[in-house]
Amino acid sequence: GAVVSQHPSRVICKSGTSVKIECRSLDFQATTMFWYRQFPKQSLMLMATSNEGSKATYEQGVEKDKFLINHASLTLSTLTVTSAHPEDSSFYICSATPGKWNSPLHFGNGTRLTVT
Amino acid sequence: SQELEQSPQSLIVQEGKNLTINCTSSKTLYGLYWYKQKYGEGLIFLMMLQKGGEEKSHEKITAKLDEKKQQSSLHITASQPSHAGIYLCGADPGASGTYKYIFGTGTRLKVLA
Repeated sequence: GAVVSQHPSRVICKSGTSVKIECRSLDFQATTMFWYRQFPKQSLMLMATSNEGSKATYEQGVEKDKFLINHASLTLSTLTVTSAHPEDSSFYICSATPGKWNSPLHFGNGTRLTVT
Repeated sequence: SQELEQSPQSLIVQEGKNLTINCTSSKTLYGLYWYKQKYGEGLIFLMMLQKGGEEKSHEKITAKLDEKKQQSSLHITASQPSHAGIYLCGADPGASGTYKYIFGTGTRLKVLA
């Protein structure tokens, strides 16, 4: 149980375009999901907390207008990288939890974004 | 703010050898989570530790949390090439469970066949 699906796994886009990444909890409902960015050979950096039915909470230094997050339902959160630039190229990962006591975070397989 | 430091940063072992990865926190841990990440993929949950002195095992992997709840170790017995990857420890900095995990810097494990 507790499967998180992320799509697409890889995407290449041109500079200036926008890219949408989806994160779905397949077998549980998630009122909260999290989006991370991972730079090469580094750990995960939390970007924002996605809240179902309300605005996302962004970590310090993360541009909310650049990284739009929508949590439309209890099983789906999307991250849209707007007007992408080469420096946005990175590995993006989402996570979710059923929110029950002693339940850890479960992660998607990540999305490799390359902006040319 | 709480920080997690992992050691070693990287490890190369011969198949069949045992190994240990350590995770040290600057503050008391309310929950310590071990994950494995294959290169270019997401994180796979391995184990969760919450009580001081707790120890859990799954197949050939054993994780321990010390009594003071500031250090955890992950031990792999008789390593196999399938154990290769990046091991990350994570912790929830909030006692009430915020899920805004912080992560260690990771340990890159390579197992030579």
